[in-house]
Amino acid sequence: SQQGEEDPQALSIQEGENATMNCSYKTSINNLQWYRQNSGRGLVHLILIRSNEREKHSGRLRVTLDTSKKSSSLLITASRAADTASYFCATDPNDYKLSFGAGTTVTVRA
Amino acid sequence: DGGITQSPKYLFRKEGQNVTLSCEQNLNHDAMYWYRQDPGQGLRLIYYSQIVNDFQKGDIAEGYSVSREKKESFPLTVTSAQKNPTAFYLCASSKEYAQHFGDGTRLSIL
Repeated sequence: SQQGEEDPQALSIQEGENATMNCSYKTSINNLQWYRQNSGRGLVHLILIRSNEREKHSGRLRVTLDTSKKSSSLLITASRAADTASYFCATDPNDYKLSFGAGTTVTVRA
Repeated sequence: DGGITQSPKYLFRKEGQNVTLSCEQNLNHDAMYWYRQDPGQGLRLIYYSQIVNDFQKGDIAEGYSVSREKKESFPLTVTSAQKNPTAFYLCASSKEYAQHFGDGTRLSIL
């Protein structure tokens, strides 16, 4: 069963705008990860945030984690056409096993 | 460059036929995984292996089989018992938490 659930399902923004997507999960976690998937390709790991961290940055990405609300958000700043992809959150309810949400599809318009 | 190679990229199966999807990694990772992805959905875990000669069922193992005779290789067989095999299959490996993915095999029914 899917542990994480992303919101919204789809997002369309203008190039240069920020994109924000959210992930909610059900059980306690050790860490939460975000992945990107371009159409027809495999997933690429973007960032990992541990359960004792509240915020993490990587380039134009900012991830927050609120374990009391069992939720995380991914912010992509100054979006580019190359950011067009699906974004998935993944949690680790069991060692080594990740549980993925259904993803948020982001379209960046030129 | 290190990475994960999945082959073939496209595969067609006839009724009653078993097919094998290849997954090879040169990242020296101990753990390997097989996922199934259906349109608009997240990834569902089929099988995973944390060490050579050992593997465990994931959430949707019925109709699938795997082997792990070498650290580098984790082939997946889709048997005739899997009644709805049409999907995008992704292989991944990991050393710790982040998973590295191949570019997938798209399996269709003839």
